[in-house]
Order: sequence, then C-alpha cells, then structure tokens
Amino acid sequence: DIVMTQSPDSLAVSLGERATINCKSSQSVLYSSNNKNYLAWYQQKPGQPPKLLIYWASTRESGVPDRFSGSGSGTDFTLTISSLQAEDVAVYYCQQYYSTPPVTFGPGTKVDIK
Amino acid sequence: QVQLQESGPGLVKPSETLSLTCTVSGGSVSSGSYYWSWIRQPPGKGLEWIGYIYYSGSTNYNPSLKSRVTISVDTSKNQFSLKLSSVTAADTAVYYCARARPGYFPWGPYWYFDLWGRGTLVTVSS
Repeated sequence: DIVMTQSPDSLAVSLGERATINCKSSQSVLYSSNNKNYLAWYQQKPGQPPKLLIYWASTRESGVPDRFSGSGSGTDFTLTISSLQAEDVAVYYCQQYYSTPPVTFGPGTKVDIK
Repeated sequence: QVQLQESGPGLVKPSETLSLTCTVSGGSVSSGSYYWSWIRQPPGKGLEWIGYIYYSGSTNYNPSLKSRVTISVDTSKNQFSLKLSSVTAADTAVYYCARARPGYFPWGPYWYFDLWGRGTLVTVSS
C-alpha cells in the first residue's frame, strides 16, 4: 500500500494569512502516460463528513473557493489556503488513488486560527 | 441534489456482525458513473476505505478487511449496504457511505470521493 504522510500535524494561522499543508506519498502517484497526479484533498470541519476540495492534485472541485489551491507532483504535494477565513478551520486530508486497492489517506492536518 | 444517509444500529457486540445501509436520494445507485463506497473513521483518527460496489454488483474491498466485509446493492430500494463480521473494539468508528468517481488504468480502476453521507457512529461493546 502507498503510505501517505502529512506535515505539519497542526498549524495556527492568522485570519487573512496563508496556510500551507504538505502531503508526501511513499511512492510516486504520477502516471507518466497522461502526466496526471492521482492525488485528492479533502476538508473535514468539526462534526461533518469530509468534503472534496481538489483532485488531480490541482483541480478544484466545483464550488470550492479559489483561495484553495493544490500543487506538486510525483511524491510531494501542497495544499495552500491563500487567505485563511474563519470557516476554513478544519482537518485537511490528502488521498492517493494511483495504487489501488486500497486508496489511502494521509493522517490529516488540523488548521486553526491564531 | 444527491444525498446519502447511513442507517443502522449504533451498538454492536464483539464477535457479532455490523450491518449498515446507505440510502441514496436525489440520484440513483444504478448510475453507471459512480462507485458506491464505505469509509470509516475511528474516533479522533484518520480515514480508512472499506470497499465499494458498482451498480452491477461488482465489488472491491480493502485487502486488510476483505475476509470480513460484504457490500451489497439493492437497486429497487436505491440503497447499498455494509456487513462487517466478527467485530472487535477496533471496529468502533464513524462509518460513512460515499460516492466515488471512477476511472480506469489499463491494469485496473481508480477512484476518489465526491459526495459523503453525514456518517453514523458504531460502537463495539458488550
């Protein structure tokens, strides 16, 4: 199985400031035939289910604010919240869907307001 | 607007079988565009994919749980279900049903989750 790791475990950012979350996979999730990275990001607010934010490492799901962006390739990926809003307090998870079964998730990064 | 809703007992005894159902509203489990999945999250911990079913009845399970898991679909009721046998305290978790967008490599499928139910807590305890 591909093991996903995330850093940091948690971070606190001031409102309006940038938040950066890192995700690393134990094997590349880049498919060379189409140059796509099989990596998704989810947001889970307290007491709620996860919500899909980004897939293909950088494609925003419909309705997701453009302050959320994804980048990276191969084994190293980043989710950036360009200007943190109060409603962005949540745990963020990355998920690989390149090597299946199973799909695997990172352990999560908790984002709070400083 | 498609919605998913989990239902089933919140308490299961050790060694017994956990059974949950997911009802799909506003859409159809017979859609050939999606896989219908189960994912769980132990309290305070991360996410673990359990398995999925396609409307045709084909399934794919997490190898770590495969010997204990059965997922089935009832297209007449627009539902799909999870059975997990021989449960222990380690199976205590919030169980989510989710819709997955599939795609295909030459060697097999891939999927990620675009819609989730609200989840239901199942506690394994005597």
